[in-house]
Amino acid sequence: DADVTQTPRNRITKTGKRIMLECSQTKGHDRMYWYRQDPGLGLQLIYYSFDVKDINKGEISDGYSVSRQAQAKFSLSLESAIPNQTALYFCATSFKQWTLSPLHFGNGTRLTVT
Amino acid sequence: SQQGEEDPQALSIQEGENATMNCSYKTSINNLQWYRQNSGRGLVHLILIRSNEREKHSGRLRVTLDTSKKSSSLLITASRAADTASYFCAMNSGYSTLTFGKGTMLLVSP
Repeated sequence: DADVTQTPRNRITKTGKRIMLECSQTKGHDRMYWYRQDPGLGLQLIYYSFDVKDINKGEISDGYSVSRQAQAKFSLSLESAIPNQTALYFCATSFKQWTLSPLHFGNGTRLTVT
Repeated sequence: SQQGEEDPQALSIQEGENATMNCSYKTSINNLQWYRQNSGRGLVHLILIRSNEREKHSGRLRVTLDTSKKSSSLLITASRAADTASYFCAMNSGYSTLTFGKGTMLLVSP
């Protein structure tokens, strides 16, 4: 079983719809992240959470919201999806000493907004 | 923001050859990491080098860091078709989160 699991793997939705992407982890890591990847570009940080009561905006948080329901679960919501949110979305986790800790990624959710 | 920039954007070599990718960044860093991404999959951590280190090895991987030039290189020796992937550098400074470059696409032909 994967240590960081993202659901769904693929999602097609229409403009204006609200959708949620889910992430769960069995690594016991405190820190969780949501990144977005567009073709030919690097990863851009959307939101991150250092523990259950902590939520922080990343570089591109507009149009997104998150919920950290438990240490192991971190969900990303698009309140009203728009076509330029079509991208590959990754959840990642890291150990508490994050300045020296690598990120562990899920396999991504490919989102298409029509 | 502290985004890294990889060079070249794409690299095509034959099996058995060495592959070298470079990463430049703008401000001082705590550490620099390299990740691999197979097509459409999640990134996998390869190696981390701290700001006070100059070189690290892991199997066929060799990473160097030159803080005076604000640059790092990743060398893959004796490449294999299975090394075909995109490679990203990522870095943080102070208490910032990890920032990724745009990546180098490596194609290793049999």
